[in-house]
Amino acid sequence: QVQLVESGGGVVQPGRSLRLSCAASGFTFSSYGMHWVRQAPGKGLEWVAVIWNDGTNKYYADSVKGRFTISRDKSKNTVYLQMNSLRAEDTAVYYCARDEKGGGSCPDYWGQGTLVTVSS
Amino acid sequence: SYELTQPPSLSVSPGQTARISCSGDALPKKYAYWYQQKSGQAPVMVIYEDFKRPSGIPERFSGSSSGTMATLTISGAQVEDEGDYYCYSADSSGNHKVFGGGTKLTVL
Repeated sequence: QVQLVESGGGVVQPGRSLRLSCAASGFTFSSYGMHWVRQAPGKGLEWVAVIWNDGTNKYYADSVKGRFTISRDKSKNTVYLQMNSLRAEDTAVYYCARDEKGGGSCPDYWGQGTLVTVSS
Repeated sequence: SYELTQPPSLSVSPGQTARISCSGDALPKKYAYWYQQKSGQAPVMVIYEDFKRPSGIPERFSGSSSGTMATLTISGAQVEDEGDYYCYSADSSGNHKVFGGGTKLTVL
């Protein structure tokens, strides 16, 4: 069965960096796009970024563009989110999710999330 | 940036029909998707491509889309349907995705 396991969350100071990882299993990783979606405490879902199945296309929400980078490693079946210049408003649970297709569709399977807290 | 607009809350009695709307300028050309999220859990897709229902989702969940409005309908809502519901779609380019602000459904 499809499994997505996020890791790398924690407490980080404003302005610092953090890298999240998402280990995928139970499906052919190279055939699917991957998303990161976040949810601030008590708030709604916010789409963050998507990377297509072959890694050629990457798109970001305006709120993170230029600060966050999504990437994937097919040898490790893992997708990453490099987060730089973190701000208090980046505090959220970060979910990794598989795209229903190659990257241009919607998240279908989700991980359980990893909490990132940006605080001094 | 592109936005999808949902009502913040909706309350219905068990057995009644709940209708949750989602408006967005690109919806005439882009699919709408719907997710249910219960407290402390990851979201679950309940409708994809405007009206299709994933396997395992009860038949009481249905979707429709017309013009700039998509609608999730829960016919005969049950207590276990309580939670937050989010619509999801893309801007006109198709590359930037967006969630609606979410609708908190109460069934009591």
